[in-house]
Order: sequence, then structure tokens, then C-alpha cells
Amino acid sequence: EDKVVQSPLSLVVHEGDTVTLNCSYEVTNFRSLLWYKQEKKAPTFLFMLTSSGIEKKSGRLSSILDKKELFSILNITATQTGDSAVYLCAVVMNTGFQKLVFGTGTRLLVSP
Amino acid sequence: GAVVSQHPSWVICKSGTSVKIECRSLDFQATTMFWYRQFPKQSLMLMATSNEGSKATYEQGVEKDKFLINHASLTLSTLTVTSAHPEDSSFYICSARLLQGHNQPQHFGDGTRLSIL
Repeated sequence: EDKVVQSPLSLVVHEGDTVTLNCSYEVTNFRSLLWYKQEKKAPTFLFMLTSSGIEKKSGRLSSILDKKELFSILNITATQTGDSAVYLCAVVMNTGFQKLVFGTGTRLLVSP
Repeated sequence: GAVVSQHPSWVICKSGTSVKIECRSLDFQATTMFWYRQFPKQSLMLMATSNEGSKATYEQGVEKDKFLINHASLTLSTLTVTSAHPEDSSFYICSARLLQGHNQPQHFGDGTRLSIL
């Protein structure tokens, strides 16, 4: 069975801290890995990772993929209260429809 | 960037009612759209994949007669929850992808919160 596991399930940090969110996967037909941020409504796209070892960066957020060890991490530096959200990791299956298998998510709370 | 619009955002209705949810890609054509269901504090579970001009592909355990999907055009897919009951109450989210066969992420609508009394 295809599986995506995220850790930790929840995390509370102070503003200014750096956090690392983890995503490991076991899937039969991997195409790529996506990170999304979900606040009150639907997920918003952060990163798409296809190749191992190439860091993707957007402001204070960065992410990297390790296809040998089957995991990805999402880093957030100098956290702000606006970073509070659920962060979802999803694997894109290499099937005709490229469907997604989502992890359980990590709930991040950044306190002022 | 790609925008997906979902309507309505909130529905409250009586048990036995059928509810239709629309998902539109506003600035791009989507041959494939996806429908997800999300329970409180849980992740998104794929219900079905909707393809323009053909029948939807349902995930295991999802009743196709209960959740009717129609992908009438390259910019519109609809999900109809037929004869809804309280256990169908959930957050339903659609997504769309720009082009099949290319590395494009799915973009999500804002979701529909369905409450069946």
C-alpha cells in the first residue's frame, strides 16, 4: 500500500525559531513530491521536488528531496506567526492521472 | 498563477437532499480534475479523478452512485452528493492540473464545507 508519513504531527515554536518538517514515503511508482501549506481553506502550493539533492528555496522556506532514503524535509527559518498552518506533503504517482497520495500533515503553531 | 474556483463554499441542508458542488479552472484548461474529502484534523483523501469527456475514476470504497461526477468541459467539473445523510458531512476540495504528462502541480479550490442535518 502506498504510504506517506509526516513528522512531527504537531509542533509549537516561538517566533524567530527555525523548524524542520519531515516527510517519508513508500510508494510503488514515484514521480515527484509536493509540499503544500493549508490554513483555513484549501492547500496552497509551495514546492515541487523531482530530483534528489537539489534544494528549492522561496524566501524563508526551503525544501530538499532524497530519493535514495525516500524522504523530504521542509525548512522554515526565522518563523513568523503567519507561518502557523498545516503543512502537507504529497507524492505524485507516476500513473496516467498523476494522482496524489497525501501525508497526515504537520500542524505548526508559531507563538509570538 | 493558476486559479481554481469552487462553489458553494458552505452548504447546510436536510438529510435526503442532493447537493451539487462546482469546480472551475479560471485561467487555464484542465483535462483532469480531482475530488478530495477531508475530515477534521485529517489529511486529504482522494475520492475520484475526473476527466473531461469520459467517466470518472473512483477510488476504492467510494460509491460512484452516491458521488456523481461530471466533467462537462475543460474548465468545469461537478460533484453531486446524492441523497446526502449526516455521515456525508465533510470538507470537499477539488483540484486541477494544467496539462497531462507534464510536471505541473495540482492547484486547489477553496473547498466546500457540507453539513447535513
